[in-house]
Amino acid sequence: GESVGLHLPTLSVQEGDNSIINCAYSNSASDYFIWYKQESGKGPQFIIDIRSNMDKRQGQRVTVLLNKTVKHLSLQIAATQPGDSAVYFCAEIPNQAGTALIFGKGTTLSVSS
Amino acid sequence: GAVVSQHPSRVICKSGTSVKIECRSLDFQATTMFWYRQFPKQSLMLMATSNEGSKATYEQGVEKDKFLINHASLTLSTLTVTSAHPEDSSFYICSCYREPYGYTFGSGTRLTVV
Repeated sequence: GESVGLHLPTLSVQEGDNSIINCAYSNSASDYFIWYKQESGKGPQFIIDIRSNMDKRQGQRVTVLLNKTVKHLSLQIAATQPGDSAVYFCAEIPNQAGTALIFGKGTTLSVSS
Repeated sequence: GAVVSQHPSRVICKSGTSVKIECRSLDFQATTMFWYRQFPKQSLMLMATSNEGSKATYEQGVEKDKFLINHASLTLSTLTVTSAHPEDSSFYICSCYREPYGYTFGSGTRLTVV
């Protein structure tokens, strides 16, 4: 079936740096995308979402960029902090709202101080 | 905000026994509930989609007789792992969907079968 993939499995940054986590999705019909943060032994935590009619959305210290032409999604974290260390997943909804999220493979972000 | 409670957080069981995991939406009624399984250093894999009062829809490769899902109300879904074996050891996560909250995840259940 359709799946969402990620370019890099791990990303190591220094505290204060900006982090960029990438995601490639395969279903051009997907209308909605979400970035999640998962800490060890916990469930996914919502970070930010974006709909396909947008190409950028900003939150607090985070920005999501969507390039539908190349089916690419990215999460930018400004001034990365040690507390940002976690696994980050992008997820897509290939069907209508309320159907299952399909998750990518995940990127482990490691922030050193 | 929307809160989903998942219980237990950790469980160890003997091979051949059954384990039940509960997923509750605490302050909202979920339109749909989802069950995921996550192996170490891997992504969340969808197991099944569950709607209240109807049979769950299982993903390809997920044995419905082994992973029994009961969705008795709009706030409770249970996943029972029957005749558990060591290869069923995993992290099980539920998700509840309702507008305008979107998707809310439980905190997960770590199942270890010995």
